[in-house]
Amino acid sequence: DADVTQTPRNRITKTGKRIMLECSQTKGHDRMYWYRQDPGLGLQLIYYSFDVKDINKGEISDGYSVSRQAQAKFSLSLESAIPNQTALYFCATSDEDYNEQFFGPGTRLTVL
Amino acid sequence: AQKVTQAQTEISVVEKEDVTLDCVYETRDTTYYLFWYKQPPSGELVFLIRRNSFDEQNEISGRYSWNFQKSTSSFNFTITASQVVDSAVYFCALNTAGGSYIPTFGRGTSLIVHP
Repeated sequence: DADVTQTPRNRITKTGKRIMLECSQTKGHDRMYWYRQDPGLGLQLIYYSFDVKDINKGEISDGYSVSRQAQAKFSLSLESAIPNQTALYFCATSDEDYNEQFFGPGTRLTVL
Repeated sequence: AQKVTQAQTEISVVEKEDVTLDCVYETRDTTYYLFWYKQPPSGELVFLIRRNSFDEQNEISGRYSWNFQKSTSSFNFTITASQVVDSAVYFCALNTAGGSYIPTFGRGTSLIVHP
């Protein structure tokens, strides 16, 4: 089984709808991240969490919110989706300060 | 502030050619770590290598090699005898205490290897 899973893998929604993307991990890592990827722009950090009680905004948090329900679960919500939030979304985990990240398979979100 | 620049947006080569992907970084920290990740067409991001700022030895893993040069703030990635399966987007990343241990990614280089 994959260490970092994301659900759903693909989602098409309409402008104004609320949507939640979920991430679960079995790696036992404290640190979790949400990124979005747009062609040519690389990975942009939306939110990150270094432990269950720690939530921090990334560089592009406007229009998004997160919930860290447990060490293993980190959810990303779009309260009112808009078309320019169409992107590929990745969840990632890491354990210590300088260690590598482990990424989920991504969620492809389309907002019509 | 920390920054990673991957100036090559896209590189196209023919199979068996050698190819080098450039990565230039900026940081004021003396301790930092550099990373390379691969994103094949299937979409997942896969960790390739981590390097700390105190170890300038080049690394070789099969057809992959990495050249870390602090003098030029570069951490370049070379694929020898490229194969079609090497086609992917490759990301370089930097992690520093000054950046709150949040990795900064470059924008990626898309490598296309033609048969």
